[in-house]
Amino acid sequence: AQTVTQSQPEMSVQEAETVTLSCTYDTSESDYYLFWYKQPPSRQMILVIRQEAYKQQNATENRFSVNFQKAAKSFSLKISDSQLGDAAMYFCGTSYNTDKLIFGTGTRLQVFP
Amino acid sequence: EPEVTQTPSHQVTQMGQEVILRCVPISNHLYFYWYRQILGQKVEFLVSFYNNEISEKSEIFDDQFSVERPDGSNFTLKIRSTKLEDSAMYFCASYTGTGNTEAFFGQGTRLTVV
Repeated sequence: AQTVTQSQPEMSVQEAETVTLSCTYDTSESDYYLFWYKQPPSRQMILVIRQEAYKQQNATENRFSVNFQKAAKSFSLKISDSQLGDAAMYFCGTSYNTDKLIFGTGTRLQVFP
Repeated sequence: EPEVTQTPSHQVTQMGQEVILRCVPISNHLYFYWYRQILGQKVEFLVSFYNNEISEKSEIFDDQFSVERPDGSNFTLKIRSTKLEDSAMYFCASYTGTGNTEAFFGQGTRLTVV
């Protein structure tokens, strides 16, 4: 069974600073995918970044990047140059191919001006 | 950009009533999912649907729940006799299934059972 653990219920960052959200996971699959989703107050689920487990290179999307440590089963999200609009719940998730997504409990990110 | 559309955005229903939540997935997608999020908690998988049948369901998805794709475009979740604990956000998601594993989520339906 797949599990995802987010150990930081809340994080805060000053505008323009960098913050890292932690995520660890467990899976018996060898070919899987990792995701970070953002959920703003509207509660819509928005894909932030995706990583294929077979790729060694860390994924990057503009100000968002991941630190994927496969052996440690760790998948942290780094947000650079934080903006007020980054304030949201962030969910880490994993899936095997087109199988269901398994999410962690989320980290609430606050951004202060 | 194509998107997954859910209706209604908010539904209030009395305990014991039946509700149907509707989703229009992206047209060329083949895999469909329902997820649930109780307020303040994580998003949980309910059911997956492929090739006009359920491919997997969670323990939450008991006999009170059913899904169908009645006309090849809409994808519905029915709760036969709602309970207070069914109050939650319900998300529909879909995949293409052709090597792209990005799940596209709808904006969600907030169900309130009173």
